[in-house]
Amino acid sequence: GAVVSQHPSWVICKSGTSVKIECRSLDFQATTMFWYRQFPKQSLMLMATSNEGSKATYEQGVEKDKFLINHASLTLSTLTVTSAHPEDSSFYICSAIGESSYEQYFGPGTRLTVT
Amino acid sequence: EDKVVQSPLSLVVHEGDTVTLNCSYEVTNFRSLLWYKQEKKAPTFLFMLTSSGIEKKSGRLSSILDKKELFSILNITATQTGDSAIYLCAVLQGAQKLVFGQGTRLTINP
Repeated sequence: GAVVSQHPSWVICKSGTSVKIECRSLDFQATTMFWYRQFPKQSLMLMATSNEGSKATYEQGVEKDKFLINHASLTLSTLTVTSAHPEDSSFYICSAIGESSYEQYFGPGTRLTVT
Repeated sequence: EDKVVQSPLSLVVHEGDTVTLNCSYEVTNFRSLLWYKQEKKAPTFLFMLTSSGIEKKSGRLSSILDKKELFSILNITATQTGDSAIYLCAVLQGAQKLVFGQGTRLTINP
């Protein structure tokens, strides 16, 4: 089956620093990737949709200058949390779909803690 | 505003019991409804429902969609401790966007 990986799985950073999270589709080409955020005991909230080679589309209320998304290849998308603050601490999950499928395959998630 | 609402938010039962999880939705441009199981990490796919009234079944799990009343249920029979997880309902809106419910946290006690 389709596999999506994320790196790192867990990161702690200091307030004010930036953190980059990678999302890779390992055995298929992902034309579209999605980034979600999940706070404790809450559901997944879509942050943005990224298509390879074009700018990401952000959901309402998500700051595009704070959450930088790059989808430079068909197998890799990155999310950079810039100038992180404790309120950015969350579980970040990516998902990917290929050309011929609308099914989203989820990565294992990255737990970000900002101190 | 598009929304997906799940109930109950939390449920604790004994092993062997049968549970029914509910999902109602009000989402524009509905395409299909999906159920996921989330343990400690990312959600894993269970079912996708597109047509009304057709039950989908996988082992002890089954699900059905009612597009007239805008809801779906997920049934789990003869529950086991390994069924403990958060069950997420999501609506596929248009071609790609998933709108998730809050999830139901299911705990199965031995």
